[in-house]
Amino acid sequence: GEEVAQTPKHLVRGEGQKAKLYCAPIKGHSYVFWYQQVLKNEFKFLISFQNENVFDETGMPKERFSAKCLPNSPCSLEIQATKLEDSAVYFCASSRPSGREAFFGQGTRLTVV
Amino acid sequence: AQSVAQPEDQVNVAEGNPLTVKCTYSVSGNPYLFWYVQYPNRGLQFLLKYITGDNLVKGSYGFEAEFNKSQTSFHLKKPSALVSDSALYFCAVRDLGLTGGGNKLTFGTGTQLKVEL
Repeated sequence: GEEVAQTPKHLVRGEGQKAKLYCAPIKGHSYVFWYQQVLKNEFKFLISFQNENVFDETGMPKERFSAKCLPNSPCSLEIQATKLEDSAVYFCASSRPSGREAFFGQGTRLTVV
Repeated sequence: AQSVAQPEDQVNVAEGNPLTVKCTYSVSGNPYLFWYVQYPNRGLQFLLKYITGDNLVKGSYGFEAEFNKSQTSFHLKKPSALVSDSALYFCAVRDLGLTGGGNKLTFGTGTQLKVEL
């Protein structure tokens, strides 16, 4: 497709429950990124992929967060045992193999109650 | 480590007047710089980028940005603001620590632009 598609738009989870977010990158884009937007405006990088391989995972909390990009499937970000502090908007972005700019999806708003 | 500073939380401007949204950066090498705009409850939309070449970069919706290496700045400008330009603007720098296209963006804290009639 011509835009990054993220599902669901909104997700509400009780503390301790699992949350799974999905992202379909733009066709032909081989890089996928996940960012977390917290508080007012702060963007925190989580992880990037080159096709199905992890490229940079320096931003990922190790204990409860995991992510995958498998062939012919949307990419996913999973949070096990959610905490209140995980409440945020999670953005996925993709870019071309030689690209410099990334294109963002509409985000998934996760609310942990 | 790369960093970006947007010194103004909010910028107010009257419709028809020129606008400037400020951004300064810090990188160890040559910067790749970007501006994005975020409308309420929406994702980030790419406006423009500086990679190399002319210091004045033109982008979407009549926006432009001026790269100034000596001042390490990349201010966003528009000659004549519209009410519909009211949104949250983010400056970002591309991390060049890893080779390849998977380098992450480091964002500023955003500037809310309010354009009034």
